[in-house]
Amino acid sequence: GAVVSQHPSRVICKSGTSVKIECRSLDFQATTMFWYRQFPKQSLMLMATSNEGSKATYEQGVEKDKFLINHASLTLSTLTVTSAHPEDSSFYICSALAGGPYNEQFFGPGTRLTVL
Amino acid sequence: KQEVTQIPAALSVPEGENLVLNCSFTDSAIYNLQWFRQDPGKGLTSLLLIQSSQREQTSGRLNASLDKSSGRSTLYIAASQPGDSATYLCAAADDKIIFGKGTRLHILP
Repeated sequence: GAVVSQHPSRVICKSGTSVKIECRSLDFQATTMFWYRQFPKQSLMLMATSNEGSKATYEQGVEKDKFLINHASLTLSTLTVTSAHPEDSSFYICSALAGGPYNEQFFGPGTRLTVL
Repeated sequence: KQEVTQIPAALSVPEGENLVLNCSFTDSAIYNLQWFRQDPGKGLTSLLLIQSSQREQTSGRLNASLDKSSGRSTLYIAASQPGDSATYLCAAADDKIIFGKGTRLHILP
């Protein structure tokens, strides 16, 4: 099946720094990718929809200036957590739509962000 | 390595029927299990989250159960409606989140 990669898998950073997470579709092109976040003991929640060549669509309550999304190509979307704070520590996971008759969604392995 | 399987891959039922979707996982050492709904071309919508210490969760017409010892979870949908048509995914979480491939549900009017 289709493969989605994320890099890095884990990152630890100091408060106030910015962190970039990459999401790549390795063997297919994806015009649409999604970014999710899961806090401990909570559900995985959709943060934003990333569309190639256009601005991302953010879910209610997600700050677009804090979570910068760039979908510059059909195989790469990036999420940058700007001026990260400890409350941004979470598990971030991306997915990509593979098109086709079912437009199946394939998930990356996730990135665990810890902000000190 | 955790593996999550959902059966059946697709299901069509007449409106009004109760139905059960199945999810199995190979490693019982999970933190939680989640059920999601996916509409065509859209991101996931979280339906129910069952912590590892819980056995079931209910939300409206939805009830999800968790049996860690047998590595199984079920999603029960009561009185199905055409609007329930979607793909339903389960995901088991330990250090990572592993998704099943989903069950495509079609409710016939």
